[in-house]
Amino acid sequence: GENVEQHPSTLSVQEGDSAVIKCTYSDSASNYFPWYKQELGKRPQLIIDIRSNVGEKKDQRIAVTLNKTAKHFSLHITETQPEDSAVYFCAASSINDMRFGAGTRLTVKP
Amino acid sequence: DAGVIQSPRHEVTEMGQEVTLRCKPISGHNSLFWYRQTMMRGLELLIYFNNNVPIDDSGMPEDRFSAKMPNASFSTLKIQPSEPRDSAVYFCASSLLGGDNEQFFGPGTRLTVL
Repeated sequence: GENVEQHPSTLSVQEGDSAVIKCTYSDSASNYFPWYKQELGKRPQLIIDIRSNVGEKKDQRIAVTLNKTAKHFSLHITETQPEDSAVYFCAASSINDMRFGAGTRLTVKP
Repeated sequence: DAGVIQSPRHEVTEMGQEVTLRCKPISGHNSLFWYRQTMMRGLELLIYFNNNVPIDDSGMPEDRFSAKMPNASFSTLKIQPSEPRDSAVYFCASSLLGGDNEQFFGPGTRLTVL
């Protein structure tokens, strides 16, 4: 089955700085890589996703990159704001398997 | 659509009691996932169903846990007997079909076993 490693476990940045979270996966059959944001006491919600036939995807201040050869993918948040503070989870999946990383607690200091 | 519905939202029970968590997926979604979230272990996939059929239950901790999906609009996760270490937030999520589509999470059930 799939195994997903996520780093760092905690990340603190100053408002306006960039934040980068990295994940690795083990199963070459994985073809879908979503990122979820979970605010305190709430449910995880999808913020961006990428499929294996694409190397990069951007949506306003957030972007995701995928290196299939190295089995790495990363989340980039630019111009961070206090409301970006949350736990972020990466995941790697195929139609019959789905695994989340352990999560990164991002704190954006005003 | 109301989104994924879970009940109850909070459950407090005593060790040894049976606990049943309920989930109604988004209409038209064919995959349903049960997760457990704790501080120590993060977000763990327990089991998931495609078209009401269990695909992968390797995440189910032990025989005390069981899950069913009798039809496309309802699923249950049962713990019998419950233990204090089962205390966690249990999320249900649904997607169009398979693990390779966006999952929509329910609000979760916070379970406390005393």
